[in-house]
Amino acid sequence: DSGVTQTPKHLITATGQRVTLRCSPRSGDLSVYWYQQSLDQGLQFLIQYYNGEERAKGNILERFSAQQFPDLHSELNLSSLELGDSALYFCASSTDGGAEAFFGQGTRLTVV
Amino acid sequence: GIQVEQSPPDLILQEGANSTLRCNFSDSVNNLQWFHQNPWGQLINLFYIPSGTKQNGRLSATTVATERYSLLYISSSQTTDSGVYFCAVCGGGSNYKLTFGKGTLLTVNP
Repeated sequence: DSGVTQTPKHLITATGQRVTLRCSPRSGDLSVYWYQQSLDQGLQFLIQYYNGEERAKGNILERFSAQQFPDLHSELNLSSLELGDSALYFCASSTDGGAEAFFGQGTRLTVV
Repeated sequence: GIQVEQSPPDLILQEGANSTLRCNFSDSVNNLQWFHQNPWGQLINLFYIPSGTKQNGRLSATTVATERYSLLYISSSQTTDSGVYFCAVCGGGSNYKLTFGKGTLLTVNP
């Protein structure tokens, strides 16, 4: 158990819908990262937050947004879903940038 | 951005064999991690090794930061070692994202 909790584990939804993925970091970790893993793109960095502030942005679509709350949990919002958004979404946390990162078990999103 | 290349892309072993996986990166790093993704999709931390050598049971890793590569050694492989092994690096500066290689798919046959 990495200490990073993601919910839900599985999600099936229809095209055009909106979903929210939730992540609770390890105790004491201030930095949260979101990654998308698809068969054709591998593990792609989406966005990073540190202590509530956005720190880095990667290949995140405009239809996607995220935030980190005062209690340090984070949510990734995916809207206007398309078939191509089907993927495994990971959250990771670390004490700070450059420190060892630990990953949650992922949320498997299927868009039908 | 920083580039990460892993080799070989695929590896098939018989149980009990040894193997070496390689990770090359294109720039200096302040973080390098090896992960094992098991068949259920979980990413399991193996090593945090921006430089030097570490060992954990049958697994060991070495990173030569000056030459921009890292090696993961698996000895006496077991079927439970099967899965994808990822190398990920953080290039430092003000951007602390981990950039992943494409992975090595390891299959260990009984």
